[in-house]
Amino acid sequence: GQQVQQSPASLVLQEGENAELQCNFSTSLNSMQWFYQRPGGSLVSLFYNPSGTKHSGRLTSTTVIKERRSSLHISSSQTTDSGTYLCALDSGGSNAKLTFGKGTKLSVKS
Amino acid sequence: GPKVLQIPSHQIIDMGQMVTLNCDPVSNHLYFYWYKQILGQQMEFLVNFYNGKVMEKSKLFKDQFSVERPDGSYFTLKIQPTALEDSAVYFCASSSGTGETLYFGSGTRLTVL
Repeated sequence: GQQVQQSPASLVLQEGENAELQCNFSTSLNSMQWFYQRPGGSLVSLFYNPSGTKHSGRLTSTTVIKERRSSLHISSSQTTDSGTYLCALDSGGSNAKLTFGKGTKLSVKS
Repeated sequence: GPKVLQIPSHQIIDMGQMVTLNCDPVSNHLYFYWYKQILGQQMEFLVNFYNGKVMEKSKLFKDQFSVERPDGSYFTLKIQPTALEDSAVYFCASSSGTGETLYFGSGTRLTVL
């Protein structure tokens, strides 16, 4: 089955609202990365977060290993936050390989 | 932050032709990767490469695919011959080690006609 599941699949917000994106995984975790994929397709790394909580501006990532989940919180959303948010799991082993979720498509309206 | 450059950004070729996608990874990185994303679908791992060798490849990495990085130049993905189902965006990535942050390029959109 799907090793990495993201929810919701899509989300529409009014500018200024907060968003909570979830990523659940079914295998062991070596690391978790969150990416933002622009509408044009390019990927931007947001967080490398194997455990605990990390902050970057309006973004917060929390990974709880024993619960096999990671979340991305966006506060005070802006229209420029629109795009797809991907989480990717590295389950460890000698070769680094990321397994991606299907993404959450976020649309922020003014 | 660190940049991975991919050349070209778009490539259109006829089915059966050969294509080479080029990637200039982050300068001190040692691990290199290719991922494939068909339009509207999930990003999927193709292959990783370290110390001049393929370390692991997925079932998507067909016999027609090959990778190399001759003498520290571009890390390349070659497809020969191409098929219609190879149409996708191919992303290159690099990292300094296993379990480290992967940095992705902007992708090459390949269209096979």
